[in-house]
Amino acid sequence: DTGVSQDPRHKITKRGQNVTFRCDPISEHNRLYWYRQTLGQGPEFLTYFQNEAQLEKSRLLSDRFSAERPKGSFSTLEIQRTEQGDSAMYLCATPARVSGTDTQYFGPGTRLTVL
Amino acid sequence: DAKTTQPNSMESNEEEPVHLPCNHSTISGTDYIHWYRQLPSQGPEYVIHGLTSNVNNRMASLAIAEDRKSSTLILHRATLRDAAVYYCILRYTSYGKLTFGQGTILTVHP
Repeated sequence: DTGVSQDPRHKITKRGQNVTFRCDPISEHNRLYWYRQTLGQGPEFLTYFQNEAQLEKSRLLSDRFSAERPKGSFSTLEIQRTEQGDSAMYLCATPARVSGTDTQYFGPGTRLTVL
Repeated sequence: DAKTTQPNSMESNEEEPVHLPCNHSTISGTDYIHWYRQLPSQGPEYVIHGLTSNVNNRMASLAIAEDRKSSTLILHRATLRDAAVYYCILRYTSYGKLTFGQGTILTVHP
């Protein structure tokens, strides 16, 4: 258990519906990352927050995706008008300092299936 | 971040050592070598990292070639719980996003 929790763990939705995922990071970490992982591939970076500011967004994050981190604590990732290609595992992570460098603690992920 | 190359899959028997290779011929002098693993149905998990010298921790050892163009993650005694996808990642900063490749699928046989 890394201390990073995600909710829900699984989400099945119909194409065109909106979905929202939540990530609760280890407390007092100012950075938070979102990744997406499709079957058989490694995770791909989506976006990154420092406190409540969204500092970097991948080109993978289309206009249908929006992420927030109010008050620099938990974060939400919303996908509007879901498409079948959005089916993936959505992971969030917060850093942890190990031997002079940041590693990342990942949550268990939210598996999204779009029918 | 510089690119890494890993075998798609490897197999091992339980309680035997496992050596997972990673090639990173374009590594720069300031790139750290990180290893993560991902157990089935879980998020990735940090294993170990190093810069130039070999490193040991409770999970594994990291052997880094003298020219730093390759490295090897060593699991000293594989257990069934070590069956996972292992990712070798280079990072030129001490913080920031991780760039994952496809990793090596490790199968451990009883």
